[in-house]
Amino acid sequence: EPEVTQTPSHQVTQMGQEVILRCVPISNHLYFYWYRQILGQKVEFLVSFYNNEISEKSEIFDDQFSVERPDGSNFTLKIRSTKLEDSAMYFCAIVGQQGIATNEKLFFGSGTQLSVL
Amino acid sequence: RKEVEQDPGPFNVPEGATVAFNCTYSNSASQSFFWYRQDCRKEPKLLMSVYSSGNEDGRFTAQLNRASQYISLLIRDSKLSDSATYLCVVSATGGGNKLTFGTGTQLKVEL
Repeated sequence: EPEVTQTPSHQVTQMGQEVILRCVPISNHLYFYWYRQILGQKVEFLVSFYNNEISEKSEIFDDQFSVERPDGSNFTLKIRSTKLEDSAMYFCAIVGQQGIATNEKLFFGSGTQLSVL
Repeated sequence: RKEVEQDPGPFNVPEGATVAFNCTYSNSASQSFFWYRQDCRKEPKLLMSVYSSGNEDGRFTAQLNRASQYISLLIRDSKLSDSATYLCVVSATGGGNKLTFGTGTQLKVEL
């Protein structure tokens, strides 16, 4: 099973501040995904990222959000001007096989719990 | 209608019992189906894929009925360690792994 490391495990921020959540896969994967889960609710798709470009995004993923792969290994989710309702667990995910995305299984990182005060 | 619908539970069962979860999905074009397991405040972990022919992995059996847009998971000989939330997950045609999750069914296995 592929491994994905997410940092930090917990992030507390003030409303209006910017946060950057990081994801580091153990091996070289081309496809990355971000999902989030508000406490007590279902896991929701945010964005998929392939070959340094966004391939699909949800309605949630508005201009407040951005994704990058700044150095070829780390994969980041930036949330600008955070709001109270951004408080959630954010999961990075990769597919189980390198270079293959279509309908393959996703493996999730342990998540970053974001708390906006 | 919700995209993926599950009974939230909780299902409280004694150790050794057999328990079944059901799930329905609304998008008839869905192509891939999964059951994930999620422990409290942890990441979802893939339990098994679900195929039309039905598939089994140890004590776990999954079934898919495309005509009824219905997915099931059967757990035999429940263990205390099976206590978790079970997530029904569907991927639409076109891949890209945009997974749509149900809200999950909570299972509590008791002594």
